[in-house]
Amino acid sequence: SQKIEQNSEALNIQEGKTATLTCNYTNYSPAYLQWYRQDPGRGPVFLLLIRENEKEKRKERLKVTFDTTLKQSLFHITASQPADSATYLCALDPGGSQGNLIFGKGTKLSVKP
Amino acid sequence: NAGVTQTPKFQVLKTGQSMTLQCAQDMNHEYMSWYRQDPGMGLRLIHYSVGAGITDQGEVPNGYNVSRSTTEDFPLRLLSAAPSQTSVYFCASSKNPHTDTQYFGPGTRLTVL
Repeated sequence: SQKIEQNSEALNIQEGKTATLTCNYTNYSPAYLQWYRQDPGRGPVFLLLIRENEKEKRKERLKVTFDTTLKQSLFHITASQPADSATYLCALDPGGSQGNLIFGKGTKLSVKP
Repeated sequence: NAGVTQTPKFQVLKTGQSMTLQCAQDMNHEYMSWYRQDPGMGLRLIHYSVGAGITDQGEVPNGYNVSRSTTEDFPLRLLSAAPSQTSVYFCASSKNPHTDTQYFGPGTRLTVL
């Protein structure tokens, strides 16, 4: 069956450290993979999109990698801050004309001061 | 731009009642979709639309109807509410679901008693 998994339900780190979140998928060949941030009581907010032919994408303190051989994306937040505490969702585009996104369940990141 | 707006923010229904969740966007996006988010399940696609007059089913369409008479509006109808439809509902829109940001609304928290 097709699955997308975010390996950790929760991740606790100290302020200033690098947070690394993992997204694995099986039985998909996505052309794109996206990462979203969701705060409690709010809708997801887009962070980054990476294409299958891109190995790495950066935006300020955020970095995403995409390994189509391992079927894995890693999401890094460097110099993490308490304000980075939120749930992070990965979503892949399984292809086809519709472009529906398949979401992982999310990883709740807590950054302690 | 208001972005994606959803009404109501909260709703309590009795089993068997019907209601419509409203969604509107002012970004002239062709693609709109409805997701539900349940604890431990992640976001699941209910219905989507690639333009006015065109709708299709997602992963969990049973019990829900949609229509898209204008580019701006994409209402979700529950014809006969069931407790299993207790969830948080998010509407999203994008210019191109493959390559562009999906913008999510603030959500509607629905409880069916």
